[in-house]
Amino acid sequence: DVKVTQSSRYLVKRTGEKVFLECVQDMDHENMFWYRQDPGLGLRLIYFSYDVKMKEKGDIPEGYSVSREKKERFSLILESASTNQTSMYLCASSPRQGASYNEQFFGPGTRLTVL
Amino acid sequence: GQQLNQSPQSMFIQEGEDVSMNCTSSSIFNTWLWYKQDPGEGPVLLIALYKAGELTSNGRLTAQFGITRKDSFLNISASIPSDVGIYFCAGREFYGGSQGNLIFGKGTKLSVKP
Repeated sequence: DVKVTQSSRYLVKRTGEKVFLECVQDMDHENMFWYRQDPGLGLRLIYFSYDVKMKEKGDIPEGYSVSREKKERFSLILESASTNQTSMYLCASSPRQGASYNEQFFGPGTRLTVL
Repeated sequence: GQQLNQSPQSMFIQEGEDVSMNCTSSSIFNTWLWYKQDPGEGPVLLIALYKAGELTSNGRLTAQFGITRKDSFLNISASIPSDVGIYFCAGREFYGGSQGNLIFGKGTKLSVKP
């Protein structure tokens, strides 16, 4: 069964802390994505990556950075967490080619609370 | 940027009822996807559509890629309690975007009638 896993389901951090959210996929997908989900705002794309070492900004990259050192792993970094980054964070992956290249598969999410 | 208009925002179902929801866009899409999200979980892909007019079923779920390429519909027949959740449409513009990027609707929340 294909899988996208995220390192934590729930996380509580303090303002100013550096936060790492990890995502691993076992489907050999080239594309990986980080979204945040907030009530009334839907899913918003933070960053995405088409390949190892590559990254591109999504719609709301401010306050975030990412790292993709290995194909299966995509990390989201909050350099200095703030309360307005309290949210549900979702990682997704998709293949680059083939019939299903637009189909993104999501992890279970990390609910981050910044106090 | 491009937004998808998904409706209704919420609806209440009684077991056995049929349910319909839809998504519209202002531009042409070449892919429509439908996801379901249970509380506290990530979205799960239900149906993928790639051709205008395409009608695809997954059990009691049926989705259609609109002929105009600007809309898609999801129907659930004979609903059951486990159908409760949030249903999202997502699509990819025919002319736009970086490879693989999807645009999401804001979801239709399905709840059980008290």
